[in-house]
Amino acid sequence: AQSVTQPDIHITVSEGASLELRCNYSYGATPYLFWYVQSPGQGLQLLLKYFSGDTLVQGIKGFEAEFKRSQSSFNLRKPSVHWSDAAEYFCAVGDRSDMRFGAGTRLTVKP
Amino acid sequence: EPEVTQTPSHQVTQMGQEVILRCVPISNHLYFYWYRQILGQKVEFLVSFYNNEISEKSEIFDDQFSVERPDGSNFTLKIRSTKLEDSAMYFCASRYTETGELFFGEGSRLTVL
Repeated sequence: AQSVTQPDIHITVSEGASLELRCNYSYGATPYLFWYVQSPGQGLQLLLKYFSGDTLVQGIKGFEAEFKRSQSSFNLRKPSVHWSDAAEYFCAVGDRSDMRFGAGTRLTVKP
Repeated sequence: EPEVTQTPSHQVTQMGQEVILRCVPISNHLYFYWYRQILGQKVEFLVSFYNNEISEKSEIFDDQFSVERPDGSNFTLKIRSTKLEDSAMYFCASRYTETGELFFGEGSRLTVL
């Protein structure tokens, strides 16, 4: 069965520091992979996605993610975090008929 | 830019009442979804819908839930007899046939008293 694991429930980083949010998945084939961000009281906004090709994908707001097939991972990174990045981040895995989300990682940004 | 729209943004209802949440997917999308998010918890898949029928549903999507695409533009989620534990944010999503990107609505917050 497909599943998504985000091992970190809550991460705190200082503004300007680098960030990496982890995502591991279990899937029968190479899935479509996504990262979404959710600000408090808001809907889900797509940050980036991977379908095929270059395993390092660039997204909006300066985020990037790297697909590592050998590790079944799709970690999200940002070199320098801004206070406005504080939000909940969800990794998602799916195919054409279904999508499953991880439990989410809450990011707190310290001044 | 095309977007998925949901109404109402917030609904308060009494336990046992029927609720219908409405969604207008992006016009040329063919796959439709409902997800829910209980406050402070993860986003949970409820149901997917394609070609006028349910293609997959989770264990959450029991007999109290139903979905419908009545007129080719709206996509509705009905909860027949709401329970306290149905209180959540419900997200509608749709996607193109050829890519996997889901476009989400802003969500409908349901509060069951």
